[in-house]
Amino acid sequence: SQKIEQNSEALNIQEGKTATLTCNYTNYSPAYLQWYRQDPGRGPVFLLLIRENEKEKRKERLKVTFDTTLKQSLFHITASQPADSATYLCALDYGNNRLAFGKGNQVVVIP
Amino acid sequence: EPEVTQTPSHQVTQMGQEVILRCVPISNHLYFYWYRQILGQKVEFLVSFYNNEISEKSEIFDDQFSVERPDGSNFTLKIRSTKLEDSAMYFCASSEDGRGGYTFGSGTRLTVV
Repeated sequence: SQKIEQNSEALNIQEGKTATLTCNYTNYSPAYLQWYRQDPGRGPVFLLLIRENEKEKRKERLKVTFDTTLKQSLFHITASQPADSATYLCALDYGNNRLAFGKGNQVVVIP
Repeated sequence: EPEVTQTPSHQVTQMGQEVILRCVPISNHLYFYWYRQILGQKVEFLVSFYNNEISEKSEIFDDQFSVERPDGSNFTLKIRSTKLEDSAMYFCASSEDGRGGYTFGSGTRLTVV
């Protein structure tokens, strides 16, 4: 079955630096790959979506890359701020009306 | 900004009881979903709903579960005969076209005792 791997260790990063998170998956590539932010006790909040034929997508301080050969997506937060502290979830979308989520990677931005 | 509303925010129920979790999706969205997240675990897909019928369901979504869109605004998840392992956060989500990002609600924390 499909496995989605995100780093289980929290990423501690100094304010102003770039945080980079990794999402690796097995088996076949999804039609879309989505990234969400989740704060404790809250629902996921959609951030970015990238299609399988796209290499890179940007939105403000966020950048996502998608490499179907490596079966990997990278998520970057540039000029990180304490308010960026949260858990970031990778989700695979095979176009069948269901998302498969990774377990998430916590980011802690230190002032 | 439009949001998905879920009620109640917390629900405590006795094992074996039935619960109904309620959701009001975004009004112009056509696709509706239920996901759950057991404490410390990943968000898991339960069911998707489109055009007044289930379009996809996971192996978790067995006969104990049902969904309904009783009117033009509400979307409900019913869990019959709750078990201790049903304790989780249940998230409702909606999507305009089933392809873009989903909008999730804040969740209902269900505790089965």
